[in-house]
Amino acid sequence: QVQLVESGGGVVQPGRSLRLSCAASGFTFSSYGMHWVRQAPGKGLEWVAVISYDGSNKYYADSVKGRFTISRDNSKNTLYLQMNSLRAEDTAVYYCAKVTQITIFGVVITYDAFDIWGQGTMVTVSS
Amino acid sequence: EIVLTQSPGTLSLSPGERATLSCRASQSVSSSYLAWYQQKPGQAPRLLIYGASSRATGIPDRFSGSGSGTDFTLTISRLEPEDFAVYYCQQYGSSPYVTFGQGTKLEIK
Repeated sequence: QVQLVESGGGVVQPGRSLRLSCAASGFTFSSYGMHWVRQAPGKGLEWVAVISYDGSNKYYADSVKGRFTISRDNSKNTLYLQMNSLRAEDTAVYYCAKVTQITIFGVVITYDAFDIWGQGTMVTVSS
Repeated sequence: EIVLTQSPGTLSLSPGERATLSCRASQSVSSSYLAWYQQKPGQAPRLLIYGASSRATGIPDRFSGSGSGTDFTLTISRLEPEDFAVYYCQQYGSSPYVTFGQGTKLEIK
């Protein structure tokens, strides 16, 4: 079945780095843009970053720009989030999410609404 | 950046009742690129509605979305016990940059 599984979370000191992974299965990973979304404890959803299907385009939220890097390896069906210079406010559950594609009269249309989410991986930044 | 404001913050209703959740955007959402998600404790969000009114795969027809421009609504026609959760709206009209509302908690009265 279609599935996303995140890994790599944990407890890290402020200023240190962490790399998250998101393993995809059950769909043609290389055809879909992918996003990272995070949720601080007890708070709402915050968009983090997006990467195009082929990795050629990447965009970031202002809160992480210059510190986080999104990437993908389509040969391994895996999405990554490299997080550097971590801060206490980066503490959150991090979800990877797949964009929605529909086909109308043979035309594929992509929407940045997320039809598949991973289960999330917790990142705690604390000394 | 488009800011989404959801109301009410908390909605207290009983099973069988009708729920109406609101999402207002700070500027017009292009092409009604507005989605709704349901999130239960300890779970990832689930896509309910995209394109303001199109139900995602497998979503029961008691869930419906409407609206355009800056005002959008999620309606649950008859609440089932499993519908009590937090609901988020999301705009993707400024794609690839997306934003979420702060959420509405739907609780059992």
